[in-house]
Parts: sequence; C-alpha cells; structure tokens
Amino acid sequence: QKEVEQNSGPLSVPEGAIASLNCTYSDRGSQSFFWYRQYSGKSPELIMFIYSNGDKEDGRFTAQLNKASQYVSLLIRDSQPSDSATYLCAVGYSGTYKYIFGTGTRLKVLA
Amino acid sequence: DVKVTQSSRYLVKRTGEKVFLECVQDMDHENMFWYRQDPGLGLRLIYFSYDVKMKEKGDIPEGYSVSREKKERFSLILESASTNQTSMYLCASRLTGGTNYEQYFGPGTRLTVT
Repeated sequence: QKEVEQNSGPLSVPEGAIASLNCTYSDRGSQSFFWYRQYSGKSPELIMFIYSNGDKEDGRFTAQLNKASQYVSLLIRDSQPSDSATYLCAVGYSGTYKYIFGTGTRLKVLA
Repeated sequence: DVKVTQSSRYLVKRTGEKVFLECVQDMDHENMFWYRQDPGLGLRLIYFSYDVKMKEKGDIPEGYSVSREKKERFSLILESASTNQTSMYLCASRLTGGTNYEQYFGPGTRLTVT
C-alpha cells in the first residue's frame, strides 16, 4: 500500500525564520512530488512540484527531493504570518492516474 | 489564468435527497477529479474522468456517481444523501499525461447532510 506521511503539527516558527516541512513516502516507484498550501476553509493551492533529486527554488520556497531516502521537504524562508496554513504533500506514481496525499502539516508563523 | 469553479460553496441537504455537485474548468484539461476531504483522513479520491464520457472509480466511490458529457464539466451525484457524506468536496483538473502534471483545485463545496 502506497503511503505518504507528514507530521500533523502544528509547527510553530517565529516570523522571519525558516520553516521546514517534511514528507516521507513508501513506494520507490514515485515519480512526481507536489506541495500544496491550504488555508482553513479553502481549497489546496499548488506551491511547487519537483521530479528530480536535489533542490528546486521558487522565491521564498525551496523543495528538496531525496529519492534514496524517500523524502521530500519544503523550506519556507523569511516566514510570514500569511504563510500560516496547512501544507499538503502529494506523490504521483508512474503508470497510474492517481496521486497519494499526506494528511498535511499545520504551520503557524508567530508575529 | 487557471480556473476551476464549483457550483456551490455551501450546501445543506436532507438525508435521502439526490444531490448534484458541478465542476467547470476553462483550461481545456482532459482529466478531472472529485475528492472529499475530512479531518484526519486527508483527500480521498471518489472518481476520476480521463476524457468525455470516460470515468474510473477512485478509492471511495460507494454512494456516488459521476457524469461528464462535456470536456469542461464534471458532475458528482450523491444518489441518496446520507449523514456520513457530510464533507468538503473538491474538484480538480489537469492536463492528460499521468501524474507528471499538477492538479488545479476548485474552491470546494462544503456539504452538510442533516
């Protein structure tokens, strides 16, 4: 059974700090990895996706993928109170149309 | 700009009613999805449509059906609503090509069945 695990949190960080969110997955057939941000009562919004080992940067966000260790991370630099949300990790597998979602990590950025 | 819309943000229905949830996307995407999201359970796939009139059951299809008569529109039908179908329902779409492509979500419909 394919699984995607995230610590539910909350993860609390002070404003301006780096927030580090982690996601582990069970199946080595995983090929694509997505991070979504979800504000309370709203729908998920795509932040980043990554396919290859290493880092991918977009503004204040960096996704890190390590396929050997089966984890993907999201770093948020210079965290702002507006970053307070639940962050969902989703994993796509070759040969299937489905994604497997983690249950999300709640991030709280303290002003 | 990517746009997925859902017919209602909030809906209250009675047990036994037939419920229609509609989703429209304007991105010419082939693939469309219906999920439900419940606290502690995450997003669970109800149905997937890979093209007009084509569908696949997801992980929790029981009690639901779908319809896709036009490429831009994907409807979720609760044949006889029950209280355990109270949930947030999310529609998503993506280009065809498997999970290499990202999904875009609609705003969601919070359904309460009393």
